[in-house]
Amino acid sequence: GENVEQHPSTLSVQEGDSAVIKCTYSDSASNYFPWYKQELGKRPQLIIDIRSNVGEKKDQRIAVTLNKTAKHFSLHITETQPEDSAVYFCAATEDDYKLSFGAGTTVTVRA
Amino acid sequence: DTEVTQTPKHLVMGMTNKKSLKCEQHMGHRAMYWYKQKAKKPPELMFVYSYEKLSINESVPSRFSPECPNSSLLNLHLHALQPEDSALYLCASSQSTGNTEAFFGQGTRLTVV
Repeated sequence: GENVEQHPSTLSVQEGDSAVIKCTYSDSASNYFPWYKQELGKRPQLIIDIRSNVGEKKDQRIAVTLNKTAKHFSLHITETQPEDSAVYFCAATEDDYKLSFGAGTTVTVRA
Repeated sequence: DTEVTQTPKHLVMGMTNKKSLKCEQHMGHRAMYWYKQKAKKPPELMFVYSYEKLSINESVPSRFSPECPNSSLLNLHLHALQPEDSALYLCASSQSTGNTEAFFGQGTRLTVV
């Protein structure tokens, strides 16, 4: 099955700086890579996703890049704000309903 | 309506009790999921229903019993749970294929005493 590794496990950034979270996956058949944000006590919510036919996708301050050859994908958050503080999970799937999640990154944005 | 609604929000139950968790969505999604999440860990898949049929059971103990009465509803029946089953139980739904956005409910915080 798919195995997703996520780094770092914790990330502390100064407000206004950028944050980068990296994930690698093992199954070359995976074709959908979502990123979920989970604030304390809240539900996971999709913030951005990318499919295997695209190398990069951007939505305002958030971008995701995908390198299929190296089997890794990354989340980039620019101009971080305190409300970006949360746990971020990457995931990968091959369209078999099984989302394989990374272990999560706790992001803290210091004011 | 892009909501997945779960009830109850919190549940405390004894090891001999029987209780049920409920989940509802009105987005026309044909795939519904139960996940278990422990603190500071990612969600772990338990069950998947596709078009109201159980398609995935991730070797979950029989003390957890899922049910999908119709395309909008998903239940999780609980019986004879153990303290280690205490966790956040998340319901989710997605369109008919797996590689689309999964919408999560706010979860039921379960404590087994």
